[in-house]
Amino acid sequence: DAGVIQSPRHEVTEMGQEVTLRCKPISGHNSLFWYRQTMMRGLELLIYFNNNVPIDDSGMPEDRFSAKMPNASFSTLKIQPSEPRDSAVYFCASSLADVNIQYFGAGTRLSVL
Amino acid sequence: GENVEQHPSTLSVQEGDSAVIKCTYSDSASNYFPWYKQELGKRPQLIIDIRSNVGEKKDQRIAVTLNKTAKHFSLHITETQPEDSAVYFCAAIGGGADGLTFGKGTHLIIQP
Repeated sequence: DAGVIQSPRHEVTEMGQEVTLRCKPISGHNSLFWYRQTMMRGLELLIYFNNNVPIDDSGMPEDRFSAKMPNASFSTLKIQPSEPRDSAVYFCASSLADVNIQYFGAGTRLSVL
Repeated sequence: GENVEQHPSTLSVQEGDSAVIKCTYSDSASNYFPWYKQELGKRPQLIIDIRSNVGEKKDQRIAVTLNKTAKHFSLHITETQPEDSAVYFCAAIGGGADGLTFGKGTHLIIQP
């Protein structure tokens, strides 16, 4: 298995633009997580899905952020409109729900100018 | 919700010596405690984990201990090597939630 796959690896955009981050979980995993990493706040959980259903989105910073999981093999995290303070590395992770072990993708480094 | 505190933020040890990183958690319902290693520019990678029904787990030079009563757990690395230099994160899951709550990380520096 290729592991958790994220795209793009790097994204540079201007303030006010829409940004879409993509994630393909490990085949067979039924839980998917989006995390954000910054120097100031460390690694933070944004939202997670079990069996494609959003379970906890309390970490989503504001309404500009939205996430979807239309099927078991694909999820998106969208920021609209983007702001400079959204600059961070965004990680996707997946696991088997009853096993807990989470495997991380390589991350998307987002820079909002 | 869960709160995880991690100490120290930076740890410098001589090659061959041992390193210990400590974490405390707040939610007594937490039941899974992984440790991740993150090298510069890379993804967090799981190195060892422990569940609440176990007090200690060892994998070669790495061990983790858990004290449920005190709500703290520790990572122990023995015979440190240059490739152990990285940022290490502790985390916790529990209380009906599945997402990881991370500590702020420890930058481990192995001095040659």
